[in-house]
Amino acid sequence: ELKVEQNPLFLSMQEGKNYTIYCNYSTTSDRLYWYRQDPGKSLESLFVLLSNGAVKQEGRLMASLDTKARLSTLHITAAVHDLSATYFCAVDMYSGGGADGLTFGKGTHLIIQP
Amino acid sequence: EAGVAQSPRYKIIEKRQSVAFWCNPISGHATLYWYQQILGQGPKLLIQFQNNGVVDDSQLPKDRFSAERLKGVDSTLKIQPAKLEDSAVYLCASSLRGGLADTQYFGPGTRLTVL
Repeated sequence: ELKVEQNPLFLSMQEGKNYTIYCNYSTTSDRLYWYRQDPGKSLESLFVLLSNGAVKQEGRLMASLDTKARLSTLHITAAVHDLSATYFCAVDMYSGGGADGLTFGKGTHLIIQP
Repeated sequence: EAGVAQSPRYKIIEKRQSVAFWCNPISGHATLYWYQQILGQGPKLLIQFQNNGVVDDSQLPKDRFSAERLKGVDSTLKIQPAKLEDSAVYLCASSLRGGLADTQYFGPGTRLTVL
């Protein structure tokens, strides 16, 4: 059974600081996704990482994937209050074939304080 | 482009009652997913459709949950009878092709409370 673990689960940080969220998964997969969820809202896609060594950046967020270590990171640079949200990583359970349902981590609840 | 639509947005029922949720995916998206998100957790896949066929329902509690996608567009998810532990947000998502690592786009969800 595929397991996806995120850490930390809760993070409070100050504006302007840098931090990294880690996502470990238990079985081989080369498809990893990052989503953002604001309170009471649905999930918004941030990044899709599809190969070992993949790196994607959007504004102050950068995601990377190391399939050999089964690890993805989401790095936040110079955090701003608007980035406060819950961030989920998710892994394709099948990594190929017709089924591509996602297994999600528990999420990292991020609060950025002025 | 219109997103994934779901209704109702909120539903409160008593245990042992039945309930149904509706989803309309993004136009042209062949693949549709239903996820269950319990408070404080990440979403859990219940079922995946490719057009009007089921691709994966291995995590669907089939004794009480059922889903269909007639004509390969809209989908309904039903719970009968509901239990207290079914209280959750039910999210519908769609992707263009499925199986090819396309982005899954999520709807606003239906928040179900079972009393």
